[in-house]
Amino acid sequence: SQQGEEDPQALSIQEGENATMNCSYKTSINNLQWYRQNSGRGLVHLILIRSNEREKHSGRLRVTLDTSKKSSSLLITASRAADTASYFCATDASSSNFGNEKLTFGTGTRLTIIP
Amino acid sequence: DAGVTQSPTHLIKTRGQHVTLRCSPISGHKSVSWYQQVLGQGPQFIFQYYEKEERGRGNFPDRFSARQFPNYSSELNVNALLLGDSALYLCASSLLQGARETQYFGPGTRLLVL
Repeated sequence: SQQGEEDPQALSIQEGENATMNCSYKTSINNLQWYRQNSGRGLVHLILIRSNEREKHSGRLRVTLDTSKKSSSLLITASRAADTASYFCATDASSSNFGNEKLTFGTGTRLTIIP
Repeated sequence: DAGVTQSPTHLIKTRGQHVTLRCSPISGHKSVSWYQQVLGQGPQFIFQYYEKEERGRGNFPDRFSARQFPNYSSELNVNALLLGDSALYLCASSLLQGARETQYFGPGTRLLVL
């Protein structure tokens, strides 16, 4: 089952504009991670935000987390053609250090940057 | 440093056959997880191994099995292949157990079952 649901499913913007993607999830989490995937290849880790954090930055990326609303957003500023990819949020909702720890992924947002 | 490596990169099998996929984690990483990604969907968790022991299992049939070796590399085995097993199989490694740390993914093995 999908824990996270990204919104929108697809997004097309002009190069240089900002791109915002949202992720909603259903259960309490330990952390939320964002990944990028180019053309069905491996996943590239972008950023991890823990449940006690509200915002993190990494270069042109800004991630927010609202645990009361069970949602997160990923903002990519000053987009580039190379940002064209699918973006996934993934949550860790495990309850113990020795439990069934796994990442549960959403269905992804397909981002297209138009040169 | 080398990232997570997987072999083979592509594989074509027929229904009923068996397949073995291999993963080498980042040096020093002791946790390996396997995910299946069907076209158009997000990855689905299959297994997690830490220190050579199974520490998690997803909702997959017993046809799927895995193991981790003393050097922390891992194999995923799938028996009696079905058409629906066609997918990208991803391996991820992390320094510590589980999903509470950054998971580093390999490039994946694309399996096509005919």
